[in-house]
Amino acid sequence: NAGVTQTPKFQVLKTGQSMTLQCAQDMNHNSMYWYRQDPGMGLRLIYYSASEGTTDKGEVPNGYNVSRLNKREFSLRLESAAPSQTSVYFCASSEDTGKNTEAFFGQGTRLTVV
Amino acid sequence: AQTVTQSQPEMSVQEAETVTLSCTYDTSENNYYLFWYKQPPSRQMILVIRQEAYKQQNATENRFSVNFQKAAKSFSLKISDSQLGDTAMYFCAFTRGGATNKLIFGTGTLLAVQP
Repeated sequence: NAGVTQTPKFQVLKTGQSMTLQCAQDMNHNSMYWYRQDPGMGLRLIYYSASEGTTDKGEVPNGYNVSRLNKREFSLRLESAAPSQTSVYFCASSEDTGKNTEAFFGQGTRLTVV
Repeated sequence: AQTVTQSQPEMSVQEAETVTLSCTYDTSENNYYLFWYKQPPSRQMILVIRQEAYKQQNATENRFSVNFQKAAKSFSLKISDSQLGDTAMYFCAFTRGGATNKLIFGTGTLLAVQP
């Protein structure tokens, strides 16, 4: 049972480069999320998708774009990476029952922008 | 806007002892959920325990229990019989009731269990 799978696990980018973080879940969840984790700041929501074909901004969306390709996949794109985007990125998914049971997380991507 | 505050950046406890991690939150919502997540050095986020705001009874999961004080907007985590494997970062999180589970996290408490 894979759960939420993120790729890659580590990445180093030069300032100005672009990249896409991939995320896939096999739990048939409607909702998917991208968070970033920075020291001393906990996790902050970048974007989320409540269902296939819809995306919405979270707390810190600037500099990012997302695509909900289908129900399983939700990608995060950095068009022009900046050192301020150095962080650990987590993808998560949750069941859409209104009971807010649990969000399941991937293992994270450590991104360094130099 | 909702906020979650964890005022203890680091804590330490001896193996087999009990430790309590603090969390306070601010919201005007009536329907919401609170969580404690554990993040060990592997970086994986693991749900420890969940509390529904409309339930007065405190949630328990084996050695983990919460003290949920709704009026005080306080949600502390008690770990009994601490084990070395409990060493991790612990995050308190809040979400409004509804279809999506957008989480608002505190800044975390790094717990070290000493042998």
